[in-house]
Amino acid sequence: KQEVTQIPAALSVPEGENLVLNCSFTDSAIYNLQWFRQDPGKGLTSLLLIQSSQREQTSGRLNASLDKSSGRSTLYIAASQPGDSATYLCAVEGPGANNLFFGTGTRLTVIP
Amino acid sequence: DVKVTQSSRYLVKRTGEKVFLECVQDMDHENMFWYRQDPGLGLRLIYFSYDVKMKEKGDIPEGYSVSREKKERFSLILESASTNQTSMYLCASSSLAGGDNEQFFGPGTRLTVL
Repeated sequence: KQEVTQIPAALSVPEGENLVLNCSFTDSAIYNLQWFRQDPGKGLTSLLLIQSSQREQTSGRLNASLDKSSGRSTLYIAASQPGDSATYLCAVEGPGANNLFFGTGTRLTVIP
Repeated sequence: DVKVTQSSRYLVKRTGEKVFLECVQDMDHENMFWYRQDPGLGLRLIYFSYDVKMKEKGDIPEGYSVSREKKERFSLILESASTNQTSMYLCASSSLAGGDNEQFFGPGTRLTVL
């Protein structure tokens, strides 16, 4: 069964710093990988989706990379802002399933 | 703008009650999902459906059932609520599996069973 791990579980950085969140998965036969943001007590907001044939996706200050063969993805956040404070979740689709397998998230705090 | 809505943001029920959680999506998606989210355990799949009247068990289906009578609506049913079902429940939808198949989530329902 697919297992997804996110390290670190929590991260605090000063405003303006660039940072990297890590995600690893055990089975490389995935269809895609998705990064989400979750604010306390709220649902999930999709940030980026990388298809299995892609290496990276970018949206504004966010850049996600995928190395399927090694079972790793990173989410790079440039010039962090206090509004970036949230929990970031990584999830993979597959193998052989419609549903997502989630990591337990990284709780990010950006200090003004 | 795509949207997944859930019938309640907060719900308080008593042990033994029958509980209905409703989810509606307006994207004409084939797939719909129910997850629960608990601290330290992450999101776990309860049930999903890939078509009207079709359902598949996820990782933790015990104590739950689902109904999908219309494409846009997916209901989660707790036949007899118990305190260990206190949790955040999240509904999601997506189009056909694989590739560019982004999942969209609702705002969640925080259920407390007393």
